[in-house]
Amino acid sequence: DAMVIQNPRYQVTQFGKPVTLSCSQTLNHNVMYWYQQKSSQAPKLLFHYYDKDFNNEADTPDNFQSRRPNTSFCFLDIRSPGLGDAAMYLCATSSRETQYFGPGTRLLVL
Amino acid sequence: DAKTTQPNSMESNEEEPVHLPCNHSTISGTDYIHWYRQLPSQGPEYVIHGLTSNVNNRMASLAIAEDRKSSTLILHRATLRDAAVYYCILSGTYKYIFGTGTRLKVLA
Repeated sequence: DAMVIQNPRYQVTQFGKPVTLSCSQTLNHNVMYWYQQKSSQAPKLLFHYYDKDFNNEADTPDNFQSRRPNTSFCFLDIRSPGLGDAAMYLCATSSRETQYFGPGTRLLVL
Repeated sequence: DAKTTQPNSMESNEEEPVHLPCNHSTISGTDYIHWYRQLPSQGPEYVIHGLTSNVNNRMASLAIAEDRKSSTLILHRATLRDAAVYYCILSGTYKYIFGTGTRLKVLA
């Protein structure tokens, strides 16, 4: 089945140690997204790609970066994770009218 | 970015219809109205979407006001598996911004 895949499902990192979260898709969609979701809150859009065009939300901290080497893969890099960055990170793709989400990666910062 | 407003929580009895409201008074003419739901520890799941006309699918119905400033998601017969957070989202130019969502509790 075509889908959005996120690995790993759980990621533990240390305070200040760079971490990378991965997302891949088999839907061949042009647009890919990264959201941050903290406990009991709605997903918050960090940035999205339209093909290789990167669109950063104005309130996304500089600590968060992203790479999209090809249509299928997208990475979220957190350069120096703080305790406040512990959250669920959701990757999504979209066709013209619908968004498709992966299962998310839960990040723990120790 | 256009925003949506939803009640924080709602309750329904099992097997009864549920009407989940959403206000989006700043919607633009090209914004689609989407509904997603999210179960604990899972990614959001697509429910339904529309632009101007009411829409039906196997999961739900979407009723859109004539002025498009509000919409209602209708679950025709709520089941325990429908207990989730339901998000009403506007999208324009591929940008999807989530509102605060409504937590639906289904009572057996």
